[in-house]
Amino acid sequence: DVKVTQSSRYLVKRTGEKVFLECVQDMDHENMFWYRQDPGLGLRLIYFSYDVKMKEKGDIPEGYSVSREKKERFSLILESASTNQTSMYLCASSFGLAGFNEQFFGPGTRLTVL
Amino acid sequence: SQQGEEDPQALSIQEGENATMNCSYKTSINNLQWYRQNSGRGLVHLILIRSNEREKHSGRLRVTLDTSKKSSSLLITASRAADTASYFCATVLDQAGTALIFGKGTTLSVSS
Repeated sequence: DVKVTQSSRYLVKRTGEKVFLECVQDMDHENMFWYRQDPGLGLRLIYFSYDVKMKEKGDIPEGYSVSREKKERFSLILESASTNQTSMYLCASSFGLAGFNEQFFGPGTRLTVL
Repeated sequence: SQQGEEDPQALSIQEGENATMNCSYKTSINNLQWYRQNSGRGLVHLILIRSNEREKHSGRLRVTLDTSKKSSSLLITASRAADTASYFCATVLDQAGTALIFGKGTTLSVSS
């Protein structure tokens, strides 16, 4: 069964902390994505990766970085967390181009920055 | 942003009724996808409709696409309480289709 897992369902961090959100997929997908979801704003694309060590900026990359050292793992990094990064973070993966193929989503990480 | 826009933002119906949600987008697309999100969970893919298709069915779901109006609709027939969720349309970020852009979603409540 297809699976995308995220390291935490809930996370509470302090302002200024470095935060790592991990995502792992077991489907050998080339493409992986990070979104944040906020009430009234829907899903917004932060970064995506189409291959190991490759990354592309989405709509809202500011304040975030990503790492993809292995095909199955895509990490989202908040270098210095701020309160406006409190949000639900969703990871997804797809086989082939996302525009032509189904995306599989993880359960999400609800991050609170105090 | 090329984000799609769903309409209405919220919809409340009774079990057994049909629910229709609309999506408008701004740019030319290769295809359009619909996803469902149950409360506090990840999204689940429902259906993909290609730009050369006008209508597609999957179980109780019917999706239409009108590329001349840059719009799509999702119809759920004979709704059930379990259909209560948020529904999102997604279009491509660019012509290469490297990533999807999601709309803000329609929240559907089905009461028994």
